[in-house]
Amino acid sequence: DAGVTQSPTHLIKTRGQQVTLRCSPISGHKSVSWYQQVLGQGPQFIFQYYEKEERGRGNFPDRFSARQFPNYSSELNVNALLLGDSALYLCASSLVGLDREGKLFFGSGTQLSVL
Amino acid sequence: AQKITQTQPGMFVQEKEAVTLDCTYDTSDPSYGLFWYKQPSSGEMIFLIYQGSYDQQNATEGRYSLNFQKARKSANLVISASQLGDSAMYFCAILDDYKLSFGAGTTVTVRA
Repeated sequence: DAGVTQSPTHLIKTRGQQVTLRCSPISGHKSVSWYQQVLGQGPQFIFQYYEKEERGRGNFPDRFSARQFPNYSSELNVNALLLGDSALYLCASSLVGLDREGKLFFGSGTQLSVL
Repeated sequence: AQKITQTQPGMFVQEKEAVTLDCTYDTSDPSYGLFWYKQPSSGEMIFLIYQGSYDQQNATEGRYSLNFQKARKSANLVISASQLGDSAMYFCAILDDYKLSFGAGTTVTVRA
């Protein structure tokens, strides 16, 4: 079975542009979470979606938005890119909302560089 | 507020030896879960081990074990019989409502 897949793997944008990152969860998983990992730091929570509804949002500006589709795949959009948005964006899926054992299954991420 | 502290930015270990990675946490919840993830250079976060706050025994998963000291709020990861493939970043995380809060990570380099 395929794991969590993310596209694209790498992306280069310039300041002020907009970007869309895509994620397909493991088959049967209904929850998708997005994390931002800046170089040298641990991942920071951005969003969680479950059954196409937003369940939680981290401390990120409104330039960041996301949605989940009927097939449970998800998109993360970032508008008006800043240099500080350069990071590895990780998508993770779980069977339901994050359960007690927290078994999130992560993809390999999208490396976004903003020039 | 930072909930997870990993004080070791980098560690070297000889192949076949054991290594302990430190993690301390801060939470006011009586029930919580602690996790360790491995991140190789490929970028993917790989789940290693889980410890529940009410679990009576320390968690073990193959060569990974967790030294859980609840009163000290520490959850150190022990990797036994290190292998070259263990070279990676290791992150400690705590379940905070519906999300994981990660520490800054520790880089482990295994030497042959």
